[in-house]
Amino acid sequence: DADVTQTPRNRITKTGKRIMLECSQTKGHDRMYWYRQDPGLGLRLIYYSFDVKDINKGEISDGYSVSRQAQAKFSLSLESAIPNQTALYFCATSYLNEQFFGPGTRLTVL
Amino acid sequence: SQQGEEDPQALSIQEGENATMNCSYKTSINNLQWYRQNSGRGLVHLILIRSNEREKHSGRLRVTLDTSKKSSSLLITASRAADTASYFCATDGADSNYQLIWGAGTKLIIKP
Repeated sequence: DADVTQTPRNRITKTGKRIMLECSQTKGHDRMYWYRQDPGLGLRLIYYSFDVKDINKGEISDGYSVSRQAQAKFSLSLESAIPNQTALYFCATSYLNEQFFGPGTRLTVL
Repeated sequence: SQQGEEDPQALSIQEGENATMNCSYKTSINNLQWYRQNSGRGLVHLILIRSNEREKHSGRLRVTLDTSKKSSSLLITASRAADTASYFCATDGADSNYQLIWGAGTKLIIKP
């Protein structure tokens, strides 16, 4: 079983819709991250959390919100999706300096 | 903002040849890591080199770090078709609070 899972794996939605992407981990790590990846670019950090009560904005948090429901769960929400949020979204955990990634969610906003 | 920049953006070589990718960064770092991403999938950690290290090996991988030039290279020896992927460097700066700053990646294609 995968240590970091993401649901859904693919999602197509329309402009203005609210979308939630979910991430679960069984690694027992405190630190969790949400990134987006656009074609030809590296990862850009949206939000990160060092524990349930510690949530921080990353480089590109505008238009996104997160919820850390438990150590194992970290959700990303797009309150009102727009087309330029079409991207591949990754959740990750980290221990010491190494990061462990989920399989990604491909989101398309029409 | 992206700290790391990989060079080249794309590399195509014959199976069995060596592949070298480079990464440059802008600020002081604690360590530098290399990750691999198979098409559209999550990234997988390959190797970490600390700022006080100059070279590190792991199987067919060799990583060098030159902090004076703010650059690193990843060498994959005796390449295989399964090495086809994108490779990213990520840096952990002194004031980064455990955030990683990612480069745009090198897309490596191994031709059979």
